[in-house]
Amino acid sequence: EVQLVETGGSLIQPGGSLRLSCAASGFTVSSNYMSWVRQAPGKGLEWVSIIYSGGYTDYAVSVKGRFTISRDNSKNTVYLDMNSLRAEDTAVYYCAREYSSSSVLDYWGQGTLVTVSS
Amino acid sequence: DIQMTQSPSSLSASVGDRVTITCRASQSIRSYLNWYQHKAGKAPKLLVYSASSLQSGVPSRFSGSGSGTDFTLTITSLQPEDFAIYYCQQSHSTPVTFGQGTRLEIK
Repeated sequence: EVQLVETGGSLIQPGGSLRLSCAASGFTVSSNYMSWVRQAPGKGLEWVSIIYSGGYTDYAVSVKGRFTISRDNSKNTVYLDMNSLRAEDTAVYYCAREYSSSSVLDYWGQGTLVTVSS
Repeated sequence: DIQMTQSPSSLSASVGDRVTITCRASQSIRSYLNWYQHKAGKAPKLLVYSASSLQSGVPSRFSGSGSGTDFTLTITSLQPEDFAIYYCQQSHSTPVTFGQGTRLEIK
């Protein structure tokens, strides 16, 4: 059974850093495209970042230069390192698997809450 | 980026009703349109991909249609578990983008 479990969310001050983790089971993350998607309070879904099976990465303009996506194949886990956090980064962060390189997100985790506030 | 606009933003309906949610893209996305269901505190769930293909395990009361810029998600005979927020998403171009969501509430 495919499962994604996000951890690492917390209350963090503006300018701070945080690492989110997405532990996968039931499939191999290195063979798939994996994305992070976020939902700010009262807002819709916003794509944040992707890591392709070949290791190439991409980011939304709003987080480029501040966030880094990576993976640990031995742990079957995807990470999102977030630096220089801003109030507008406050959101529930979801990781999701992309089906067959199609940009269709067929499995999602339940999310982890990041709150950026002083 | 391709803008996705859903309507209505919210909808009240009763168990057994038929409802339709629409999604419009700012440019043609052919059939690269997907629908997700999201309940509070849960993982979003893929319902329909490629505009009209039902994801495995999704009840047949859900259906999708459309191509180009205009798409619809139809739910026939609403069930209590269908009350949720529904999002469309285009997978034609990067970055993928989502509609703002349609909240389906019990009347």
